[in-house]
Amino acid sequence: DIQMTQSPSSLSASVGDGVTITCRASQSISSFLNWYQQKPGKAPKLLISAASSLRSGVPSRFSGSGSGTDFTLTISSLQPEDFASYYCQQSYNAPLTFGPGTKVDIK
Amino acid sequence: EMQLVESGGGLVQPGGSLRLSCAASGFTFRTYWMSWVRQAPGKGLEWVAHIHPDGSEKQYVDSGKGRFTISRDNAKNSLYLQMNSLRAEDTAVYYCARAEAYCASGVCRTCFDYWGQGTLVTVSS
Repeated sequence: DIQMTQSPSSLSASVGDGVTITCRASQSISSFLNWYQQKPGKAPKLLISAASSLRSGVPSRFSGSGSGTDFTLTISSLQPEDFASYYCQQSYNAPLTFGPGTKVDIK
Repeated sequence: EMQLVESGGGLVQPGGSLRLSCAASGFTFRTYWMSWVRQAPGKGLEWVAHIHPDGSEKQYVDSGKGRFTISRDNAKNSLYLQMNSLRAEDTAVYYCARAEAYCASGVCRTCFDYWGQGTLVTVSS
């Protein structure tokens, strides 16, 4: 099975800050990496697919990069609605696996 | 408007069974892979199972093999998860999710582009 790790597990930031979350796969997954945002009590929301493709309706302050085993999600300027948990997920092989998540909260 | 609505969750004793349902609307259900994803209280997301558009291929997380069965009825636009021999560690919110395919260099994989609101399964005596 492909193991996914994320760092940091949590971070505190202020509105307007730039934030980067890292995701690493235990083996190469090409660009088959997706990012989700989840707010408490809500279903996850797809932000980025194929490592760097921003989904329709997702603000341009979100961006993704990487390929192979190392990936990043960047939020260029945090907005109040961005405080949430973020998960990466590989779709290269079954079982499909998620990273453990990164919680972004208000400093 | 695209919708996925789960039902069937509840409290069940260890060793018991439960059947979850997901009613889909607003898109051509029969053309999409569909998945179940769960989230234990306070924990992260875990993919449980997925099924081919025509039901011909199914895959499961290791902890669900032999206990869970995913199925679909394309005539009813519905997805199901039959869960048997339930354990305390199966306690979670179960989400139904649509899998959209994308391709790179001739290889296609998926992302979960739409999710239901989830249904809570509690396994406890």
